[in-house]
Amino acid sequence: QPVLTQSSSASASLGSSVKLTCTLSSGHSRYSIAWHQQQPGKAPRYLMKLEGSGRYNKGSGVPDRFSGSSSGADRFLTISNLQSEDEADYYCETWDSNTWVFGGGTKLTVL
Amino acid sequence: QITLKESGPTLVKPTQTLTLTCTFSGFSLSNSGVGVGWIRQPPGKALEWLALIYWDDEKRYSPSLKSRLIITKDTSKNQVVLTLTNMDPVDTATYYCAHTVGSGWYYWGQGTLVTVSS
Repeated sequence: QPVLTQSSSASASLGSSVKLTCTLSSGHSRYSIAWHQQQPGKAPRYLMKLEGSGRYNKGSGVPDRFSGSSSGADRFLTISNLQSEDEADYYCETWDSNTWVFGGGTKLTVL
Repeated sequence: QITLKESGPTLVKPTQTLTLTCTFSGFSLSNSGVGVGWIRQPPGKALEWLALIYWDDEKRYSPSLKSRLIITKDTSKNQVVLTLTNMDPVDTATYYCAHTVGSGWYYWGQGTLVTVSS
């Protein structure tokens, strides 16, 4: 089954941009993933589905500041014009026909 | 509007069986392609997928917990039930149910914290 690797933490300044990375394990580089945001004390929220081609489809109500891209086994979430409410944990997720897998999550701090 | 809500005990003793119910609205689990699953999150830790049931009653389980898990559905009641046997303190977590149409967990419940302690 696939394994997803994420950096444990990231930080960026208010109003700037940040690019979070989720890396698929060997042999799974073509998999699509989904990105989720989890604000402190809240349930996760679906942000987008991101394909290996770089095409992405965002969930309802997700701001335009959130975008996705791909390169090889890497899947990226870019947040532009960072706001204080973007401070959260970000999880990537992937699936095959039998299993669903989450990455370890990246804690984003907005400075 | 799709909503999901988890219910069940907040405290269970070691070795007991946990039964959680997900009650949902805004969609039917008899519609082709729809699935409802369970994901948990120990305090301060990452998300972990547990189980999924599809509209056609196909089921999928986490390989590491498969021997302890059962997932069922009651389409008429719009409910999905998860059973986890032989509970241990390491099973202490917030348990979420979520909706999928095969491309990620799109809608999530609010979660329910279950503590395992004697």
